[in-house]
Amino acid sequence: AQSVAQPEDQVNVAEGNPLTVKCTYSVSGNPYLFWYVQYPNRGLQFLLKYITGDNLVKGSYGFEAEFNKSQTSFHLKKPSALVSDSALYFCAVRDYGDYKLSFGAGTTVTVRA
Amino acid sequence: NAGVTQTPKFQVLKTGQSMTLQCAQDMNHEYMSWYRQDPGMGLRLIHYSVGAGITDQGEVPNGYNVSRSTTEDFPLRLLSAAPSQTSVYFCASSPPGYTEAFFGQGTRLTVV
Repeated sequence: AQSVAQPEDQVNVAEGNPLTVKCTYSVSGNPYLFWYVQYPNRGLQFLLKYITGDNLVKGSYGFEAEFNKSQTSFHLKKPSALVSDSALYFCAVRDYGDYKLSFGAGTTVTVRA
Repeated sequence: NAGVTQTPKFQVLKTGQSMTLQCAQDMNHEYMSWYRQDPGMGLRLIHYSVGAGITDQGEVPNGYNVSRSTTEDFPLRLLSAAPSQTSVYFCASSPPGYTEAFFGQGTRLTVV
């Protein structure tokens, strides 16, 4: 079985400061890892993914994520947060050979001006 | 580009009523799925399909039916609505391989 944990319900940062959203996962095989963002009353937008290769993955809107196999983590990062980054962020995992996505509970990010 | 289209966007049902949530994609994706989103619980998989004529249950299938007669469409049927089915429902599709899933804009369902 596969699962995702996002240990923080909320993350609050000041604009211009670094932003980190944490994610740990569990799969039986090799993981495919994803980050999505959801703005109020909208669907999920894809940010970035890790399939294989470089542990540091770059995505949309200046976000990046670091895959750490030994810690089974895939934390989302942004060096300098913007007020417009305020949203709900979801980490998701797929096991190798499976289509099904498992999502974390989500982390609400608030960036204050 | 239409992508994944869900209808309706909002719906209010009375307990015991039935309805169908529509989902259509124009990207010729093999895999389609339905999720429900509830506060603090993330997205939970209801049903999924790996191609026309093939469906299977996800994590929370009770009270829902699906069918996949074409590649494009994957409707979700609520047989007898219950207040516990009040939620936001998302349809998603993806091609084979390592790509991400594409999501519709969601249907907000309230059962009173």
